[in-house]
Amino acid sequence: GAVVSQHPSRVICKSGTSVKIECRSLDFQATTMFWYRQFPKQSLMLMATSNEGSKATYEQGVEKDKFLINHASLTLSTLTVTSAHPEDSSFYICSAIFPDRGEVGELFFGEGSRLTVL
Amino acid sequence: SQQGEEDPQALSIQEGENATMNCSYKTSINNLQWYRQNSGRGLVHLILIRSNEREKHSGRLRVTLDTSKKSSSLLITASRAADTASYFCATSRTSGSRLTFGEGTQLTVNP
Repeated sequence: GAVVSQHPSRVICKSGTSVKIECRSLDFQATTMFWYRQFPKQSLMLMATSNEGSKATYEQGVEKDKFLINHASLTLSTLTVTSAHPEDSSFYICSAIFPDRGEVGELFFGEGSRLTVL
Repeated sequence: SQQGEEDPQALSIQEGENATMNCSYKTSINNLQWYRQNSGRGLVHLILIRSNEREKHSGRLRVTLDTSKKSSSLLITASRAADTASYFCATSRTSGSRLTFGEGTQLTVNP
């Protein structure tokens, strides 16, 4: 069964509003979660690494103030797209490593959240 | 930056045929993984091969790794329509570190 739950699966918002996406690990603690962005028919681009209890590590070119990441507990990381604009429309996917599940280094992914900004 | 490059970008075959997808990368790695993604869904881990391994099997999947050529291949035997999906390779420089994904291969298996 699923070990990572992502919510909402789809969200449509108006330009200028903020949207929060949640990523929860089910039954397992995840000290590290990864947030990816995927454009249609393209690969996954790592946006940031979310570490429980500390600041997220952002990839080069990703605006920290635009994409706020909070990893307040061992089972929840949130991504907030602030003041969203149409160019932020994308598929956002979170993932986590669970040391006691799967192979070492294997990632477990959420189902993704499709954001459409009007 | 994406260091993985996959070919072909798209592959269309008939059910029962084998499908082979290739992945090349640029830097040294600890392991290479293959993932599957159905349209509009999250990714599902298929198989992981470590840098000191050359071949690995899992059911109808066979993965090879050639570190001298910095390339890997994924073979799906006796394909089924349900295998239709995008397949991505991903590399990791150290065990448990972040993954860098390739561009993916869109596989279509026609019934």
